[in-house]
Amino acid sequence: QSALTQPPSASGSPGQSVTISCTGTSSDVGGSNYVSWYQHHPGKAPKLMIFDVSKRPSGVPDRFSGSKSGNTASLTVSGLQAEDEADYYCSSYVGRIYVFGTGTKVTVL
Amino acid sequence: EVHLVQSGAEVKKPGESLKISCKASGYSFTNYWIGWVRQMPGKGLEWMGIIYHHDSDTKYNPSFQGLVTISVDKSINTAYLQWITLKASDTAMYYCATTQDGSYSWPEWGQGTLVTVSS
Repeated sequence: QSALTQPPSASGSPGQSVTISCTGTSSDVGGSNYVSWYQHHPGKAPKLMIFDVSKRPSGVPDRFSGSKSGNTASLTVSGLQAEDEADYYCSSYVGRIYVFGTGTKVTVL
Repeated sequence: EVHLVQSGAEVKKPGESLKISCKASGYSFTNYWIGWVRQMPGKGLEWMGIIYHHDSDTKYNPSFQGLVTISVDKSINTAYLQWITLKASDTAMYYCATTQDGSYSWPEWGQGTLVTVSS
């Protein structure tokens, strides 16, 4: 099972929006309702930001939203803030195992 | 509140064995999963495998099958990740995570265990 494909980097100024894509196949992202997104500051524990494609855990700001179209899932961060600068990973449940995306470094300019 | 605490950093030599742990607290039931994730230096997150606390059902990602062993001691709510023969390429940060059965996302994570393998 190969890693899902994400752009290596994305950036935006404070207050702007950034959207990160996560591309797989019909066997993983396209065929799964279980796509989640994690924010990771290096050296710290990853944090769940979106689950089941578009649901937000309690405590996650509504600036974070998720969606899916075909084999590509997306995470949008609206109203960028300095603390949003981090690595972001998508993850999909694929036939009894999980797979991460390649990761996207989000920079707040 | 569910909480995961991982064992401390390890420095080992190639060829040595190692077992790191992840202790769960706050669960009032046994039907939950523990997963292990690797992050090699400068690289992304990789799922290694998951284990069901209730019956020790274990699923390995193909890249890690046969290279590591995931186990659980139900009596002390602790999951383990074990290597028989470490290699320098096992140098990485290892995270454990947990979720309830029926959930397919991982809301709780351990603090990470840094494993350094060097001669």
